[in-house]
Amino acid sequence: RKEVEQDPGPFNVPEGATVAFNCTYSNSASQSFFWYRQDCRKEPKLLMSVYSSGNEDGRFTAQLNRASQYISLLIRDSKLSDSATYLCVVNQFSGGYNKLIFGAGTRLAVHP
Amino acid sequence: NAGVTQTPKFQVLKTGQSMTLQCAQDMNHNSMYWYRQDPGMGLRLIYYSASEGTTDKGEVPNGYNVSRLNKREFSLRLESAAPSQTSVYFCASSERGLGNTEAFFGQGTRLTVV
Repeated sequence: RKEVEQDPGPFNVPEGATVAFNCTYSNSASQSFFWYRQDCRKEPKLLMSVYSSGNEDGRFTAQLNRASQYISLLIRDSKLSDSATYLCVVNQFSGGYNKLIFGAGTRLAVHP
Repeated sequence: NAGVTQTPKFQVLKTGQSMTLQCAQDMNHNSMYWYRQDPGMGLRLIYYSASEGTTDKGEVPNGYNVSRLNKREFSLRLESAAPSQTSVYFCASSERGLGNTEAFFGQGTRLTVV
């Protein structure tokens, strides 16, 4: 079983739609959580961190449920520019250093 | 700011050839990583280095070696390339401390082994 699992997608949505991505992780010792965005043939870049209290950045809302080991990303009012692959990432901190584990990613295609 | 710089950007190798992928970061980060990304597989960790002088195996280390030459540089070597190593390779770096772990990536190396 993969340590971080995501909906495989692709999600094809019209502009203005709301779309939600889900992610689960298997290691309960995971200590911090992130969503990264990756454009086609580009490197991944941090979209936002995810906190237990939930956090919002404009049209993007991330939620973490530690009990269920579940992370979500909600995108409201989708734009064409949101088309990308979204990667769920967990950080395991042990032995004094970080190890980042990536999910396989969920592809989003927003169409006019 | 350069951030994380990888070279080369593209490479074609014949089976059995060797090569070294270079990575350097200018952000004074302690942790550095090498990932490979294959279609439908996401990023898989090959090796990581928590600090200068230390390296550890990740999920898919077979066929690779690494060197953390100094705090800035972390190289990945393929001693005898195989077609299964055709992939996109990303180097990344991050701060060591908990809660400050945004990873910064290089632009990737697209490697084809024929």
